[in-house]
Amino acid sequence: QKEVEQDPGPLSVPEGAIVSLNCTYSNSAFQYFMWYRQYSRKGPELLMYTYSSGNKEDGRFTAQVDKSSKYISLFIRDSQPSDSATYLCAMIGDSNYKLTFGKGTLLTVNP
Amino acid sequence: ETGVTQSPTHLIKTRGQQVTLRCSSQSGHNTVSWYQQALGQGPQFIFQYYREEENGRGNFPPRFSGLQFPNYSSELNVNALELDDSALYLCASSLGVGGDTQYFGPGTRLTVL
Repeated sequence: QKEVEQDPGPLSVPEGAIVSLNCTYSNSAFQYFMWYRQYSRKGPELLMYTYSSGNKEDGRFTAQVDKSSKYISLFIRDSQPSDSATYLCAMIGDSNYKLTFGKGTLLTVNP
Repeated sequence: ETGVTQSPTHLIKTRGQQVTLRCSSQSGHNTVSWYQQALGQGPQFIFQYYREEENGRGNFPPRFSGLQFPNYSSELNVNALELDDSALYLCASSLGVGGDTQYFGPGTRLTVL
């Protein structure tokens, strides 16, 4: 079993839709949870950063972490064509040094 | 504030050759991590340098080696290149280790023929 599982999609939605992206993980030592956005042939760009369980909102983006279920989510409201990218979940433990990534979900928002 | 920069942007090598990739960390960051991202996959951790010392290593063979310099810039060296080394190589810098946010550069795309 991989440490982090993420459905690679692809996911295609109409403009204005609410998008839900998810990851599950198996390592209970993970404490910090991130979502990165990666445009084609570019480096990952940090979108959201959450410590432990709970919700965090930033504009149209909401990140949720449920440590009891080992499940994290990213919601995008009022999705725009410019949101079309690959979304990577990543996580790390307190005394760890490496980010462990999911495989990434390819999202296309159609005008 | 200058972000993470990497050079070169692209390069093409043949099997068996050696390559050096370079990374300049974000201003004030003393930790650099390197990742390999194969097409359609998430980034895989290669190693991390903290204040010029290797701080951790992923599941990569010894022909992958690195350096961090006093100004916290870093190099990734790969010897005896193999076809499977073709990937996007990403450098990330952070203020410290552990849960500190890692900011990524644009990557170097390496093609091995």
